[in-house]
Amino acid sequence: EDQVTQSPEALRLQEGESSSLNCSYTVSGLRGLFWYRQDPGKGPEFLFTLYSAGEEKEKERLKATLTKKESFLHITAPKPEDSATYLCAVQADDYKLSFGAGTTVTVRA
Amino acid sequence: DTEVTQTPKHLVMGMTNKKSLKCEQHMGHRAMYWYKQKAKKPPELMFVYSYEKLSINESVPSRFSPECPNSSLLNLHLHALQPEDSALYLCASSSTSGSGETQYFGPGTRLLVL
Repeated sequence: EDQVTQSPEALRLQEGESSSLNCSYTVSGLRGLFWYRQDPGKGPEFLFTLYSAGEEKEKERLKATLTKKESFLHITAPKPEDSATYLCAVQADDYKLSFGAGTTVTVRA
Repeated sequence: DTEVTQTPKHLVMGMTNKKSLKCEQHMGHRAMYWYKQKAKKPPELMFVYSYEKLSINESVPSRFSPECPNSSLLNLHLHALQPEDSALYLCASSSTSGSGETQYFGPGTRLLVL
């Protein structure tokens, strides 16, 4: 069975203090790894899709990387508006997304 | 444009009521999904429609009844729900239901069952 573990569960940062979120996964035949951002009471907002080890993608202050066993979401010089829960999900040979429990990031001004 | 819309945003219903949730996308996607999300938990898949046909039902109780009238619309009909069904209901869509396809989520409907 596919397993996705995100760490830490919660992360409190000072504005401008860069950090990384981890997503470790166990899946047979990775077809895609997805990062989403979710604000309280809202739907997940798509950030990145990664397909193969070594791949990297960037968007503003966020950068996602992928290895054969884990993915990192790096937040560079975060701002308070980056506060959210970040969800990682993997997809194997079928349609189904297996989500991690998420990392809740709080950025203080 | 990667927008999925859902109505209503909030819904309060009694256990004997019948109500429907609606989802719409105009991205030409041929796969649409219903998820249920409880507080501080990740989304859980309920149903998958592929080319307007129900392809996956994740053992969801019959009090939830999905419907896909056309390629842009997805409904979730609710009847005789229980208080434990209170949750955020999310709709998503992707180009197809094939592996590796990015799923785009709507804003959700916050459901409270009294």
